[in-house]
Amino acid sequence: GAVVSQHPSRVICKSGTSVKIECRSLDFQATTMFWYRQFPKKSLMLMATSNEGSKATYEQGVEKDKFLINHASLTLSTLTVTSAHPEDSSFYICSASSHRGSLPLHFGNGTRLTVT
Amino acid sequence: GEDVEQSLFLSVREGDSSVINCTYTDSSSTYLYWYKQEPGAGLQLLTYIFSNMDMKQDQRLTVLLNKKDKHLSLRIADTQTGDSAIYFCAERSSGTYKYIFGTGTRLKVLA
Repeated sequence: GAVVSQHPSRVICKSGTSVKIECRSLDFQATTMFWYRQFPKKSLMLMATSNEGSKATYEQGVEKDKFLINHASLTLSTLTVTSAHPEDSSFYICSASSHRGSLPLHFGNGTRLTVT
Repeated sequence: GEDVEQSLFLSVREGDSSVINCTYTDSSSTYLYWYKQEPGAGLQLLTYIFSNMDMKQDQRLTVLLNKKDKHLSLRIADTQTGDSAIYFCAERSSGTYKYIFGTGTRLKVLA
């Protein structure tokens, strides 16, 4: 089945630094990738949607200058948390789909970000 | 707006059947999904059903859809300890890429 690889799985960084998270589709071309944030014991919150070669679409309340998303190729999307603060600590999960999202989403294993 | 509700917890004994329920509000939902999340991991797609289907079975998993009541259920037969996880239902309408996830049901399987 479709495989989505997400790296790193865990990262600890200091306040004010930036962190990049990568999401790769390993065996299919992901025309659409999604970035979610999951708070402890909560559901997934969609942050943004990226289509290859175009700007990401951010959900209401998500700061696009803080969470930079780049979808430069059909197999790679990156999320950069800029000037991280402790409140950005969370579990970030990417997912990918081909055919502009018409097929079921496949998820990466998530990245646990801790900002100290 | 759209809303997807699930009960938060379910506890069953090993070997019993588990039934996880989900209700949704969007009448235009076309696709409905069940995902499993183990601790510290991403979501694993278990199964999905189109809104023109009433039931779908795949090995130990049976999905039932009552479109009139906007109710979706996932039945796991012969539940094993390895089935302990959080189960999310999600819905999506045709023509949109946006998934709406439920709150997740934490299934605990007792040996």
